[in-house]
Amino acid sequence: DTAVSQTPKYLVTQMGNDKSIKCEQNLGHDTMYWYKQDSKKFLKIMFSYNNKELIINETVPNRFSPKSPDKAHLNLHINSLELGDSAVYFCASSPGQTVEAFFGQGTRLTVV
Amino acid sequence: KQEVTQIPAALSVPEGENLVLNCSFTDSAIYNLQWFRQDPGKGLTSLLLIQSSQREQTSGRLNASLDKSSGRSTLYIAASQPGDSATYLCAVTAGANNLFFGTGTRLTVIP
Repeated sequence: DTAVSQTPKYLVTQMGNDKSIKCEQNLGHDTMYWYKQDSKKFLKIMFSYNNKELIINETVPNRFSPKSPDKAHLNLHINSLELGDSAVYFCASSPGQTVEAFFGQGTRLTVV
Repeated sequence: KQEVTQIPAALSVPEGENLVLNCSFTDSAIYNLQWFRQDPGKGLTSLLLIQSSQREQTSGRLNASLDKSSGRSTLYIAASQPGDSATYLCAVTAGANNLFFGTGTRLTVIP
């Protein structure tokens, strides 16, 4: 079984649309994250959820909103998509600060 | 603000050679440092995790060291193989459970 799974793997959509990316982890971890990897391959954190509470929200446009229906899921909703949102989005989870984080396979979002 | 830098950005070596990848970070207040591997178009695979109190970790042909006071880590790969070709990322855990990533080193092992 895949530890951290994201769907879809690829997403192509037009500007202005609203889309969601789903993430599920079956590891029983308390903390889940969303990262964005830009065209230069740099990974930057977007959100972190711990026990369903948002504990980090970097300088991300409010068009992006994380939603956690339960501890095993952290979905990413994006409204009014823009060309600059094109990137690979990674979901991750970890049990805490001192142990390793596990990453999903990524979702390649292309906005046209 | 924590910044993580990796040098070199790209490296090509012949098969069988030993190599070292470098990672530096600006703030020594970290919980741990993690090395990842990313294959083209794929996700991240965790290779090694070094706690802030540790000096090194080993897994097979990989050895990672950590010098927290100087803000440096190295990943040593022994007897490189073509299958080792990938981008290697280091990341430190700091602050409110945040992973700060370096820009990566793209490794090519030539058969």
